Amino acid sequence: QVQLQESGPGLVKASETLSLTCTVSGGSISTSYCSWIRQPPGKGLEWIADSYYSGDTNYNPSLRGRATISIDTTKNQFSLTLNSVTAPDTAVYYCASGLSWGTLGHWGQGTLVTVSS
Amino acid sequence: EIVLTQSPATLSLSPGERATLSCRASQSVKSFLAWHQQKPGQAPRLLISDASNRATGIPARFSGSGSGTDFTLTISSLEPEDFAVYYCQQRGKWPFTFGPGTKVDI
Repeated sequence: QVQLQESGPGLVKASETLSLTCTVSGGSISTSYCSWIRQPPGKGLEWIADSYYSGDTNYNPSLRGRATISIDTTKNQFSLTLNSVTAPDTAVYYCASGLSWGTLGHWGQGTLVTVSS
Repeated sequence: EIVLTQSPATLSLSPGERATLSCRASQSVKSFLAWHQQKPGQAPRLLISDASNRATGIPARFSGSGSGTDFTLTISSLEPEDFAVYYCQQRGKWPFTFGPGTKVDI
């Protein structure tokens, strides 16, 4: 069974860079489409980015070029960096994966990242 | 971007009753629409993909229908564990988007 686990700092200072990693177990990342999604406290879900191991990536324009998603097939991990963070970037960040673009068959448990001033 | 509108915002029902949730897209997403369930403090869970395909392990009481711009999630007979927030999600056009959710409560 495929499982995903997010890891990274829970607190990031404003204007700095948020970095998260998602470790995938029970399946190969080379056959998965990998996504990052976030949910501000008490609010809905926002798609950040997705990628395939071939290098194809998509980014939500709302993030104005601040996000980068990358895949490391040797570690079966994928990562997210979000630079120049501000308070509105405070959210639970989820990694997810699926068998085609935009499918989210498997979700990580989520990790809360708080942006502090 | 494609905007998804869900109705109603809240659905108050009792165990054993039928729940009908609606999702409308601002433009056609063909059949590229999924439904996810989220309980408090938990990650979302995929219920239905591509409008009508139940995900692995999802009970038969959950069913999805629709195409184009109008979609429905039906829970035929609510179990206590079904009280949660339900999100629709489209993958017809990037950026992929979610609806605002429908809360099903007792």
